[in-house]
Amino acid sequence: EAQVTQNPRYLITVTGKKLTVTCSQNMNHEYMSWYRQDPGLGLRQIYYSMNVEVTDKGDVPEGYKVSRKEKRNFPLILESPSPNQTSLYFCASSLWESGANVLTFGAGSRLTVL
Amino acid sequence: DAKTTQPTSMDCAEGRAANLPCNHSTISGNEYVYWYRQIHSQGPQYIIHGLKNNETNEMASLIITEDRKSSTLILPHATLRDTAVYYCIVRPHTGRRALTFGSGTRLQVQP
Repeated sequence: EAQVTQNPRYLITVTGKKLTVTCSQNMNHEYMSWYRQDPGLGLRQIYYSMNVEVTDKGDVPEGYKVSRKEKRNFPLILESPSPNQTSLYFCASSLWESGANVLTFGAGSRLTVL
Repeated sequence: DAKTTQPTSMDCAEGRAANLPCNHSTISGNEYVYWYRQIHSQGPQYIIHGLKNNETNEMASLIITEDRKSSTLILPHATLRDTAVYYCIVRPHTGRRALTFGSGTRLQVQP
């Protein structure tokens, strides 16, 4: 089944403890992206990647890092998480970063930073 | 990228058509209109997209005005399972652009 898989789905951690949220897609998509969703603010883009080794900042990149060493994987790294990064995170991918393609989203990862 | 404006919320009776409007008055010629929906806190789900012509698929119809400044998503026979937040976004054909979803329209289908 074509899908975007995120792990973990739920995580409670403490301030300053580095964590990584993994994202993997099995559709050979070039474009991958991370979003966070907070109440009343919709989906905001954190980082995106147009292909291997090509990443760029979205609207809210502060406090996050990403890497794209392989086409299928796009992990989101929180080097020193803070409570304001408590949020629902979504990874998404599409065949090509263009207008005529469709984003496929993962099921989401709910992160709580205490 | 062009901004979109949607009503915050709408109600619709079950079995009736749900018409969700979206204003994108600053859309440029190479930008597509996309609709997604999010049921509760699940990952957003693609519904339909279009450039100039009206489009229809098994889920919905998309009506784009001739000047492309607005569009309407039509769910022809809304069911309770269509209760969700619906996002209208515009996406450039090429280029390195961040993609913003906005707050969307919360559609409540009433029994």
